[in-house]
Amino acid sequence: SAVISQKPSRDICQRGTSLTIQCQVDSQVTMMFWYRQQPGQSLTLIATANQGSEATYESGFVIDKFPISRPNLTFSTLTVSNMSPEDSSIYLCSGTDNTGELFFGEGSRLTVL
Amino acid sequence: GENVEQHPSTLSVQEGDSAVIKCTYSDSASNYFPWYKQELGKRPQLIIDIRSNVGEKKDQRIAVTLNKTAKHFSLHITETQPEDSAVYFCAASGRYQKVTFGTGTKLQVIP
Repeated sequence: SAVISQKPSRDICQRGTSLTIQCQVDSQVTMMFWYRQQPGQSLTLIATANQGSEATYESGFVIDKFPISRPNLTFSTLTVSNMSPEDSSIYLCSGTDNTGELFFGEGSRLTVL
Repeated sequence: GENVEQHPSTLSVQEGDSAVIKCTYSDSASNYFPWYKQELGKRPQLIIDIRSNVGEKKDQRIAVTLNKTAKHFSLHITETQPEDSAVYFCAASGRYQKVTFGTGTKLQVIP
């Protein structure tokens, strides 16, 4: 199975600041995605991270709030900008292999005060 | 886009009994249906999946069924054990390998 690592695993942030989450995947991963999981809720797709081009955002998510980069096949970052307490969530990096199976990183638990 | 509904939201069973979780999806182009188990504080882990060319798949105590005509799929866990207690998510994937998740079922297995 694919190996996906992300950091930080958790952080406590002040309102109005921004935080960048990094994700490293192994070479089995083809597509990369970022999900959000709010406390006690399901997983919601934020965007597809496209290599070398702008990410494809889902309805309700915009680039100004969640800028995403994917400079190469195996690395991506998600920034949560101008954070508010409503952004407190777990952010999960994920990727699919060539069979379409989706794997997750360990998640980054953000608490915004 | 795809919409996945999941029922029930919570399920309590006695140890040894069976548990069934049901899901429906909306996009007829979806062709891959994974199930994930998420324990508290951990990442979701794939436990079983089924593709649209198959009606049923079994792996030890876990089985999934798929009815493409009705756009229904289900997870069956037999001989439940306390370690099966977790949140289970169904999901559907089709276009561009995007995976859409159901709302989750919290399963409690009572010893």
